[in-house]
This record gives sequence, structure tokens and C-alpha cells, in this order.
Amino acid sequence: AQSVTQPDIHITVSEGASLELRCNYSYGATPYLFWYVQSPGQGLQLLLKYFSGDTLVQGIKGFEAEFKRSQSSFNLRKPSVHWSDAAEYFCAVGADSNYQLIWGAGTKLIIKP
Amino acid sequence: NAGVTQTPKFRILKIGQSMTLQCTQDMNHNYMYWYRQDPGMGLKLIYYSVGAGITDKGEVPNGYNVSRSTTEDFPLRLELAAPSQTSVYFCASSRTSGTRYSYNEQFFGPGTRLTVL
Repeated sequence: AQSVTQPDIHITVSEGASLELRCNYSYGATPYLFWYVQSPGQGLQLLLKYFSGDTLVQGIKGFEAEFKRSQSSFNLRKPSVHWSDAAEYFCAVGADSNYQLIWGAGTKLIIKP
Repeated sequence: NAGVTQTPKFRILKIGQSMTLQCTQDMNHNYMYWYRQDPGMGLKLIYYSVGAGITDKGEVPNGYNVSRSTTEDFPLRLELAAPSQTSVYFCASSRTSGTRYSYNEQFFGPGTRLTVL
């Protein structure tokens, strides 16, 4: 069965520092992979997605993610975080057979001034 | 475009009461979804719809019902509210074309925070 694991419940990063949020998935075929962000009190917004091709994907707000098939990972990165990046980040994987997404539990990003 | 709108934003129910959470999208999307979000649990799919008149169960459908009479609207019904249904509910929509690479972005509403006491 498909699953998504985000090992870090919370991550605290200083403003201006680099960020990496981890995501591991379990899926037999080539996965469809997504990162969404949820700001406090808001709905979710797509940051980026991977379907095929170049394994380094660029997204909005300066985020990027790298698909590594050998590690079953799709980690999200940003070279320098801003206070406005404080939010919860969700990784999701999609199935071939339908258009449902399987979601990770989320990682809450806290920014230290 | 307003995108995906949900009403109400907040609601407190007593055990056994019923209510309908409203969801409307104006993007002409064929797929619509209802999720619940519990702390530390991510999103769980309750029901989804592939078009008007067609709905199907997701991972956690018990205690809920849906209907899809139009492309735009996808209401979620709670018949006998229970404390276990205290959660934040999100409606989402997407356009899919049935081909391998037709996974598209799901657009989310702002959510409804429901408390059952």
C-alpha cells in the first residue's frame, strides 16, 4: 500500500538559514509527488510537483525538491528561509489508479528571528 | 474567480445534531474532495466525486454523506454528530482528464472548524 512519511513533526530554523524537509514514500511504480504548504488558519497551497523528467523540481516562493528514486525520497529545500515561511508543510503521493492523494502527517516549520 | 469556498468557517454542534458543510467551486473542475484534518494526522479523504451525480467513499467515510447534483457544489452531511467528528474539514477540487499525466493541482477551500460537544 502507498504511504508517505514525514519524519519530522517540528523543525526550527533561524531566519536566513537553509531548510530541508524530509519526505519518504512507499509506492511500487513511478510516483506522482507533491509538496503543499498550509499557513495558519488557511487551506493548502501547492508548492511544487513531480511527475517525470528532471528530478530537481522548482516551485513557488523559492522552494525546490529533489526526487531520489533509490532513496524513495522527495525532500523539500530552500536556501534561505524568511519569517513568512513559518507554516505547516505536507508531502503527498498520488496513485495511478485514481486521483486520490496519500498525505504525510506534516512538518511544522518554526522560524527563529 | 473565488476558487473554492466553504461555509461555515466555524461551528459548534451538540452530540446527535446534524449539519451540512457547504462547498462550492467556480473553476469548472470535475473532481471534488472532502478531507478531514486532525492534529498530527495529515489529511484523510472522506469522500470524493468525479463529476455531477458520481460520488465514492474515501478512507474515512463513516458518519458522513455527500451528494453532487451540480459541477459546482459538493456538500458534506453529518447526520448524527459525534465527538470523534471534531476536526477541521477541507473541501478541494481539481481538473483531471483521465490520462496518465493528468494529475493536477488540488485547490483547497479555507476549511471549516467543527467542534462536537
